Amino acid sequence: DQQVKQNSPSLSVQEGRISILNCDYTNSMFDYFLWYKKYPAEGPTFLISISSIKDKNEDGRFTVFLNKSAKHLSLHIVPSQPGDSAVYFCAASGGAGGTSYGKLTFGQGTILTVHP
Amino acid sequence: DAGVTQSPTHLIKTRGQHVTLRCSPISGHKSVSWYQQVLGQGPQFIFQYYEKEERGRGNFPDRFSARQFPNYSSELNVNALLLGDSALYLCASVHTRGVGETQYFGPGTRLLVL
Repeated sequence: DQQVKQNSPSLSVQEGRISILNCDYTNSMFDYFLWYKKYPAEGPTFLISISSIKDKNEDGRFTVFLNKSAKHLSLHIVPSQPGDSAVYFCAASGGAGGTSYGKLTFGQGTILTVHP
Repeated sequence: DAGVTQSPTHLIKTRGQHVTLRCSPISGHKSVSWYQQVLGQGPQFIFQYYEKEERGRGNFPDRFSARQFPNYSSELNVNALLLGDSALYLCASVHTRGVGETQYFGPGTRLLVL
């Protein structure tokens, strides 16, 4: 059961344009959401997070939007730069407690390519 | 500030052997989580340790175990290795805030089981 889904395996954008990465979840108990960027041969790097009490969080070029009713979140990168080319993972946590305490549930990832 | 460190970076083992992977969290963080990532998928949660106690566990067999030391570093042990255990093993240092935990990942240990 894939509780967090990133339905687009890849995304290609032009430098300077907006990149929009999408993520859907099914578990209504999730209350904290994160985005990570991963380069080959490295661990995931934390980008930005949002709690379920908010619907938007910004940090520089990165903005995350959360639509709880649709169980959907998105990451906007403006403007996109070639150095942003990487795999992006969304992750979710919270609510279940018990043996799931501390668990981040990840999507499958989206490969972003930003062309010069 | 030093980030999360993991050792070794790469490891090759044969089926049936056991392996120990090591992780040091960010200074001041008391909790670590371990994940397994296979190619083409997101990381899968193995377990989390806080103050030397296992606090959460994912859907992994008992061949996977871990411990946390007084300095908050951690070891992941895998016994009776199978070919399917070949993966990138990630350690995350956990920062707990009021509204949620942010996990900061190390570079990972790439394990190949032959």
